[in-house]
Amino acid sequence: DAKTTQPNSMESNEEEPVHLPCNHSTISGTDYIHWYRQLPSQGPEYVIHGLTSNVNNRMASLAIAEDRKSSTLILHRATLRDAAVYYCILMTIYGGSQGNLIFGKGTKLSVKP
Amino acid sequence: KAGVTQTPRYLIKTRGQQVTLSCSPISGHRSVSWYQQTPGQGLQFLFEYFSETQRNKGNFPGRFSGRQFSNSRSEMNVSTLELGDSALYLCASSMDRGSDTQYFGPGTRLTVL
Repeated sequence: DAKTTQPNSMESNEEEPVHLPCNHSTISGTDYIHWYRQLPSQGPEYVIHGLTSNVNNRMASLAIAEDRKSSTLILHRATLRDAAVYYCILMTIYGGSQGNLIFGKGTKLSVKP
Repeated sequence: KAGVTQTPRYLIKTRGQQVTLSCSPISGHRSVSWYQQTPGQGLQFLFEYFSETQRNKGNFPGRFSGRQFSNSRSEMNVSTLELGDSALYLCASSMDRGSDTQYFGPGTRLTVL
């Protein structure tokens, strides 16, 4: 399975943008880039995913490098509620079968008031 | 729509016992996956069920098993519990195989004494 590399931890100030990087140099053409986050004492929560183009939703934006070997999750205005572990995951969806989510260690984001 | 529910939320067992955990997916979701989360190993995929059949299995011993019922509800069973089985067990559901998003439940915290 293709692996991802993320910083162990990052800090941000409240109401400032946060850029969470992820390297995935062995990504294949059929791998989607997914981001999940896990708030304390909760199960993981889907944030966003993309294949080649940048993506936006109400929670975040995903910027994907042209060669797809790296991506960045962007939280436009961090709130205290965004303090969580963020996981960057590659998932292959092939032939209608479910790709398994292979979680790495993720990035622990701390948000300071 | 109600989210993914897992019961029980907390469980304490002793070594050698067996345990059954239950997961009710979001209404209409047909795929259920199970994950184990420990401080040392992080989040690891256990297995995935779709249409009452196990479709994928992670690298866990045969003591870990599961099943899915016709209403998509799923159970996982761990026999002959070991201390190392103490973990948070998470269930995730998705609409279909090949769906992009998995929705996680709050997990069952299992403690083995």
